Amino acid sequence: AQTVTQSQPEMSVQEAETVTLSCTYDTSESDYYLFWYKQPPSRQMILVIRQEAYKQQNATENRFSVNFQKAAKSFSLKISDSQLGDAAMYFCAYSMWGAQKLVFGQGTRLTINP
Amino acid sequence: SQTIHQWPATLVQPVGSPLSLECTVEGTSNPNLYWYRQAAGRGLQLLFYSVGIGQISSEVPQNLSASRPQDRQFILSSKKLLLSDSGFYLCAWRGLAGGMETQYFGPGTRLLVL
Repeated sequence: AQTVTQSQPEMSVQEAETVTLSCTYDTSESDYYLFWYKQPPSRQMILVIRQEAYKQQNATENRFSVNFQKAAKSFSLKISDSQLGDAAMYFCAYSMWGAQKLVFGQGTRLTINP
Repeated sequence: SQTIHQWPATLVQPVGSPLSLECTVEGTSNPNLYWYRQAAGRGLQLLFYSVGIGQISSEVPQNLSASRPQDRQFILSSKKLLLSDSGFYLCAWRGLAGGMETQYFGPGTRLLVL
């Protein structure tokens, strides 16, 4: 069964600094998708960034980028120029290609210090 | 554009009472729909998914059931709530954006069973 592990329950960063959140996953599949979702205090899950496993180029969305290491099964999220509004729980998620199920990690709580 | 609605936003129910949570999607037709539950401080667990009207797949055995009476409506129900049913319930729909299947979440329902 596929599993997703986020080894950092909590992280903190100074405003305007850069922070990296870690995620590893376990799968025997070669085609799959990876996601980072943000859950602010409102608790709505908001898509931050996504990556297709067959693409070697790392995805970027403005201040958010990933470091996708397929052989190592690692998918870290880098947030540059951290802002107060970035404070939230961040969840890494995996989906096998064509499957219905999203498998989530346990989350990392990110605090931004002003 | 597509939007997803859930209601109620918050619900407090006694043990043994029935439950009905509703999810509707606008701006798309025949979407795949999902119900997730999030226990406090944890990741999301897929409960049910539906690929069409009347088609329900259950991921975990439990006290809950789901129905899809209309194309863009997904309902989560229980005949008798248990204390362990407390949690945050999220509905999601799956879209194809940029060639990649992605799940988008509603605002969620907080359920407290007393």
